[in-house]
Amino acid sequence: EPEVTQTPSHQVTQMGQEVILRCVPISNHLYFYWYRQILGQKVEFLVSFYNNEISEKSEIFDDQFSVERPDGSNFTLKIRSTKLEDSAMYFCASSEAWTTAYEQYFGPGTRLTVT
Amino acid sequence: DQQVKQNSPSLSVQEGRISILNCDYTNSMFDYFLWYKKYPAEGPTFLISISSIKDKNEDGRFTVFLNKSAKHLSLHIVPSQPGDSAVYFCAASRNYGGSQGNLIFGKGTKLSVKP
Repeated sequence: EPEVTQTPSHQVTQMGQEVILRCVPISNHLYFYWYRQILGQKVEFLVSFYNNEISEKSEIFDDQFSVERPDGSNFTLKIRSTKLEDSAMYFCASSEAWTTAYEQYFGPGTRLTVT
Repeated sequence: DQQVKQNSPSLSVQEGRISILNCDYTNSMFDYFLWYKKYPAEGPTFLISISSIKDKNEDGRFTVFLNKSAKHLSLHIVPSQPGDSAVYFCAASRNYGGSQGNLIFGKGTKLSVKP
């Protein structure tokens, strides 16, 4: 069964460093998303991406964040200068089409630890 | 801002009995509701969904009920199995102004099914 994959599974970085989280969505999916879950809190929407541009972003997704689909398979989330409060699980998700856009399939997550 | 609320952080049920997980929402503009299941160290897994134009959707052992007037939905699992033990997230989405359906999650309910 096709699945969303994410690398690395765990990333440790120092405050102020740049990190890139990588995702490979399901191959025939057209809509891509990043969510995060701070320990003990809700899963929160960060950004959605379609047709090589951001469709929607939350207040969390400030200028320190960017997303990119550098090739036909990868979808990345970059945090330019990490802060301690960026420590969280980051989930990538994808969905097939607009009519089923709500049924999003999630990857296993990347645990980001900022020290 | 708790637009989606799951007021029970945990639920314990005997194998073979019914599990009922509840979810309340405040935003009447939500038009699609989903349930996700999450095991430790994995991403959320899509379980079942319901459109706001329906009041019930069934898929095998899982049934979701929607009461729009009460802004309440519930997930019924019957019969419950030990493998159903996981955290269950309620999520909602609204389709407006080109929104690509970002999901708004509840905090989750941890279901334990005891043999």
